[in-house]
Amino acid sequence: ETGVTQTPRHLVMGMTNKKSLKCEQHLGHNAMYWYKQSAKKPLELMFVYSLEERVENNSVPSRFSPECPNSSHLFLHLHTLQPEDSALYLCASSQDGPGGYGYTFGSGTRLTVV
Amino acid sequence: SQQGEEDPQALSIQEGENATMNCSYKTSINNLQWYRQNSGRGLVHLILIRSNEREKHSGRLRVTLDTSKKSSSLLITASRAADTASYFCATDAQGNKLVFGAGTILRVKS
Repeated sequence: ETGVTQTPRHLVMGMTNKKSLKCEQHLGHNAMYWYKQSAKKPLELMFVYSLEERVENNSVPSRFSPECPNSSHLFLHLHTLQPEDSALYLCASSQDGPGGYGYTFGSGTRLTVV
Repeated sequence: SQQGEEDPQALSIQEGENATMNCSYKTSINNLQWYRQNSGRGLVHLILIRSNEREKHSGRLRVTLDTSKKSSSLLITASRAADTASYFCATDAQGNKLVFGAGTILRVKS
């Protein structure tokens, strides 16, 4: 365990379903991130939360909706997804501050849209 | 936009040999980081090197940074089969957000 826990590990959903991905960290970090990793593509930054406020939304379709109720929890709500949304979704956390710090990643949720 | 680009895309070596991976980036950075990813898992932070540092060591890992050439290298010495993974460089060129390269796939044969 890295200190960042993602659930579920695997998820299969139909295009009309609504599901949520959950991320939890107890490292005392103040920033959390969602990344998407598709086959043979670089990691894509989706959302950034710093001090529980969304500070970045990288032109992500509205069928992805993030939520950060407190500094330890991050959700990604999914609805009416497309097959091309199938990917590994990674959550990460870090201590935001000058100079930068390493990110701690969860193990990811492998999402398959059918 | 992709900031870091790793080279080579794939590398296959024998156990005990050294592995060198390179990363190039385009804009000024505060720091550059290297991560490892085992198949289908999350990324693990290996090492962070700041823009005012030229070299850093951690166990069998050695990272160099040349800001004049906008490049970095990761050297893994005396490789082991367990080092088989994908390795990514990441830069903070966009503020506090890390941007990752496409990665180098390393295979260490026993």
